Amino acid sequence: EAQVTQNPRYLITVTGKKLTVTCSQNMNHEYMSWYRQDPGLGLRQIYYSMNVEVTDKGDVPEGYKVSRKEKRNFPLILESPSPNQTSLYFCASRLQGQGNTEAFFGQGTRLTVV
Amino acid sequence: QQQVKQSPQSLIVQKGGIPIINCAYENTAFDYFPWYQQFPGKGPALLIAIRPDVSEKKEGRFTISFNKSAKQFSLHIMDSQPGDSATYFCAASMRGGANNLFFGTGTRLTVIP
Repeated sequence: EAQVTQNPRYLITVTGKKLTVTCSQNMNHEYMSWYRQDPGLGLRQIYYSMNVEVTDKGDVPEGYKVSRKEKRNFPLILESPSPNQTSLYFCASRLQGQGNTEAFFGQGTRLTVV
Repeated sequence: QQQVKQSPQSLIVQKGGIPIINCAYENTAFDYFPWYQQFPGKGPALLIAIRPDVSEKKEGRFTISFNKSAKQFSLHIMDSQPGDSATYFCAASMRGGANNLFFGTGTRLTVIP
């Protein structure tokens, strides 16, 4: 089954404690991205990757890091989480090179930073 | 700066009604306009999409209307059902470059039985 898998689904952490949210896809997609979803603000892109070892900032990259060492994985790293990073996070993947392909989303990770 | 503006933020209709969600954009380089549907506890999933060379696209009870000159597009749900209750996002992307998807702020639709 084609899917994007995120872990964990729920996470409560304390300010400043480094964390990683993992994302894996089994569709051999070149393009992967991370979004955060906040009420009234919709889905805002944090970082994206067009292929292995190629990453770039989205609209709200501050406080986040990513890496793309393998095609299937695209982890999101919060080096020093703060309460304003409390949000619902989604990883997505799609075929690269075409602007009209479907994006597949993971189930989401609800992060609370206290 | 919001690349795609979406309204309304929330919408309540009776079963059988026709909810309409509207989106507007400024960047004329956009050439792909999908709508995503999100149920509680799930990630968004593609519902229907349109290219600017057509003015309307129907898939089942869902229709996109596209007005290229006004730079607006909308989603209509015919004969709405309680199972359509979800959050709907419009989006836009362009050819070339990273093909990033720019999303609207979302519309929470509630269909009352």
